[in-house]
Amino acid sequence: AQKVTQAQTEISVVEKEDVTLDCVYETRDTTYYLFWYKQPPSGELVFLIRRNSFDEQNEISGRYSWNFQKSTSSFNFTITASQVVDSAVYFCALSASGYSTLTFGKGTMLLVSP
Amino acid sequence: DAGVTQSPTHLIKTRGQHVTLRCSPISGHKSVSWYQQVLGQGPQFIFQYYEKEERGRGNFPDRFSARQFPNYSSELNVNALLLGDSALYLCASSPGQGDYEQYFGPGTRLTVT
Repeated sequence: AQKVTQAQTEISVVEKEDVTLDCVYETRDTTYYLFWYKQPPSGELVFLIRRNSFDEQNEISGRYSWNFQKSTSSFNFTITASQVVDSAVYFCALSASGYSTLTFGKGTMLLVSP
Repeated sequence: DAGVTQSPTHLIKTRGQHVTLRCSPISGHKSVSWYQQVLGQGPQFIFQYYEKEERGRGNFPDRFSARQFPNYSSELNVNALLLGDSALYLCASSPGQGDYEQYFGPGTRLTVT
């Protein structure tokens, strides 16, 4: 069985602060994919990143960066210099190789105040 | 290109009624998945359809059913609605069944009173 845990329910920061969202996963599969999605108040899930279990390189995209550590089954997401527009619920998700079905965590609500 | 579209946007139903939700995938995508998102929780997988056949089913009662049409659009049907069925229903499309990203639509907000 697969499981994704996002222990942080809600995080509040002031604009320009850096913030890290934690994600811990469980799976028996040797090959799998990890994802992060953003859900703004409108409700639509916006894809941010997909990472293959064999690729442990950290990735940076603008103000976003992701730290994948297979040894601790974690896939953490950092936003540098946060902005008010980053306010949303962020979901970490997992899928087994060969299947596109996603198992989601409960999400972390990020509130960025001016 | 148009993204995933869902209709209706919002829906209010009474307990015991039936509801049909609709989804049109991104052009060229042949797989559609349905998820239920209860307030304060992450989305939960309900069904996946690929090439008009059910390819996966989550842990939902038989009151939930779905189908996919030749044009790859899909319907999710829920019978005998319960208050607990109130949720955001999300549709996602992907090019195929395997290792693909899923692209989500805006969802249908269902309220059961």
